Amino acid sequence: AQSVAQPEDQVNVAEGNPLTVKCTYSVSGNPYLFWYVQYPNRGLQFLLKYITGDNLVKGSYGFEAEFNKSQTSFHLKKPSALVSDSALYFCAVRPMNTGFQKLVFGTGTRLLVSP
Amino acid sequence: DTGVSQNPRHKITKRGQNVTFRCDPISEHNRLYWYRQTLGQGPEFLTYFQNEAQLEKSRLLSDRFSAERPKGSFSTLEIQRTEQGDSAMYLCASSPKGVAGGPNEQFFGPGTRLTVL
Repeated sequence: AQSVAQPEDQVNVAEGNPLTVKCTYSVSGNPYLFWYVQYPNRGLQFLLKYITGDNLVKGSYGFEAEFNKSQTSFHLKKPSALVSDSALYFCAVRPMNTGFQKLVFGTGTRLLVSP
Repeated sequence: DTGVSQNPRHKITKRGQNVTFRCDPISEHNRLYWYRQTLGQGPEFLTYFQNEAQLEKSRLLSDRFSAERPKGSFSTLEIQRTEQGDSAMYLCASSPKGVAGGPNEQFFGPGTRLTVL
């Protein structure tokens, strides 16, 4: 069965500094990987996805993520954090070539960017 | 606004009552998903429709839960004989059919927060 681990409940970073939110996954075969962000009282918003090809994926709002197959990781990164990036971030996985559509989410990481 | 909409946004009910939630997906999205999210957890998959056909169903979906998408557009999720453990945020998402390059992302609605007293 597939699973996602987000080892940090919270990440604190100062505005202007780079940020990393960690994600590791377990899946049979190759994965599709996703990052979503959740703001208070709003639905999950899609940030980026890895399907195949380049290991570095660029997404919305200046975020990017690096797929590392050997480490089964898909860490979310941004070169310069903004206070407005403060939110709850979820990593999700879906196995390739199974026909199953469901996403399996991690427990989320709260990002707090201080001014 | 052409996003996914869910109604009601909040529902408070007493244990043992039945509740029904509605989801209107983005038009032209033929795939629709239901997830449940409890405090401190990520969304957990409940069920998936392609058009009107329910193709995947989680073991989390006990026989008290039923979902329909009768005309392949909106969907309803009904919970019968609610229990306090059913208290959660119920999320709906939709997506267009995936293409050869891989799956499309799922677009989520704001959710329906259920509180069972």
